[in-house]
Amino acid sequence: GAVVSQHPSRVICKSGTSVKIECRSLDFQATTMFWYRQFPKKSLMLMATSNEGSKATYEQGVEKDKFLINHASLTLSTLTVTSAHPEDSSFYICSGRDHPDNEQFFGPGTRLTVL
Amino acid sequence: GQSLEQPSEVTAVEGAIVQINCTYQTSGFYGLSWYQQHDGGAPTFLSYNALDGLEETGRFSSFLSRSDSYGYLLLQELQMKDSASYFCAVRDWGGKLIFGQGTELSVKP
Repeated sequence: GAVVSQHPSRVICKSGTSVKIECRSLDFQATTMFWYRQFPKKSLMLMATSNEGSKATYEQGVEKDKFLINHASLTLSTLTVTSAHPEDSSFYICSGRDHPDNEQFFGPGTRLTVL
Repeated sequence: GQSLEQPSEVTAVEGAIVQINCTYQTSGFYGLSWYQQHDGGAPTFLSYNALDGLEETGRFSSFLSRSDSYGYLLLQELQMKDSASYFCAVRDWGGKLIFGQGTELSVKP
């Protein structure tokens, strides 16, 4: 299958700081990228969908000013958690697909811990 | 609303067969996918059904009945490495994936 990478894999930050997570499709062009959040032993919750060159579409209840998503190229999307607080601590996973009919391929996730 | 129901936990022994059921109620349906996730890892695609019937991929098979809004994942010849969480996910008309709560499978020796 296609490969998606995420960086960093783990990050610990202080409350009030901003954290940027990168998601890259390594061997395909991800016209659409998705960002998910997952709590321990829980399901993946879709946060937003982004199409290359367009503004992201956020799911209901997700603060767009809190979670800034940029999808400036066909191989890179970034999620910036602004003014992070302990309740933002979670496992963030991105996925990408090249065509609406094709499967999404998931990155390995980024574990964010906000102190 | 949108909801997917699957058992929270399943335990089986090595070499056995296990079936994980998934029922769904969603506003749009394009197909049912199954993913495997080991602790702290990425979800890995296992199988996809857009039409009724059985899809077989090695030791894993997946079944869909659209009229019953029901599907299952069948794992045969269980191995210890199959211990993981398994998620069913509905692909809606927009191509988004809506995930179930996950089933934690424990394979015992």
